[in-house]
Amino acid sequence: DTEVTQTPKHLVMGMTNKKSLKCEQHMGHRAMYWYKQKAKKPPELMFVYSYEKLSINESVPSRFSPECPNSSLLNLHLHALQPEDSALYLCASSPGLLRYEQYFGPGTRLTVT
Amino acid sequence: DQQVKQNSPSLSVQEGRISILNCDYTNSMFDYFLWYKKYPAEGPTFLISISSIKDKNEDGRFTVFLNKSAKHLSLHIVPSQPGDSAVYFCAARVDYGGSQGNLIFGKGTKLSVKP
Repeated sequence: DTEVTQTPKHLVMGMTNKKSLKCEQHMGHRAMYWYKQKAKKPPELMFVYSYEKLSINESVPSRFSPECPNSSLLNLHLHALQPEDSALYLCASSPGLLRYEQYFGPGTRLTVT
Repeated sequence: DQQVKQNSPSLSVQEGRISILNCDYTNSMFDYFLWYKKYPAEGPTFLISISSIKDKNEDGRFTVFLNKSAKHLSLHIVPSQPGDSAVYFCAARVDYGGSQGNLIFGKGTKLSVKP
């Protein structure tokens, strides 16, 4: 099973809203990631959690707040977003232990109005 | 500055022929390379990878070749099928030290396989 699930699939939110994106994997992977992807661009790394600890934050604005409640779950809390934050948000996980391939979820298409 | 470059934005190939997708990189610290396939409105799907200590890895119709001296890798798909039509991303791993590291993605090449 190489499935990473993400909910919701689509999200429309206003600039004053608070919402959360959820990601789940049951492959026993030890690292989880959030990426942002704009149209016709490659995915850009936002955060990396390794063994449930935040190990990389790629200078992401504080209006994005990640959370890793346990080894299978990853959340991204959103607050006071801007229209330019509209994008496809991808979650990924990787096995660790010298295996670096990342398995991506289908993404959440976020529109900020 | 782009560390991973896919200089061909698109490639069109006849069904049954070979597709060759190319990727160049600049950072000699990359130690692992991967190819992903992406359909519209879906997340990237992992295809094949290669460690920097190897020069070839094969998995079914997919073969990745690595030329470290030229800082170049390529993905060969033989034979190409219409279902292979997608955007292909090359990615390289850089080690942050003791962790999973980070993947740097190229901009992608859109492959169209015509029946």
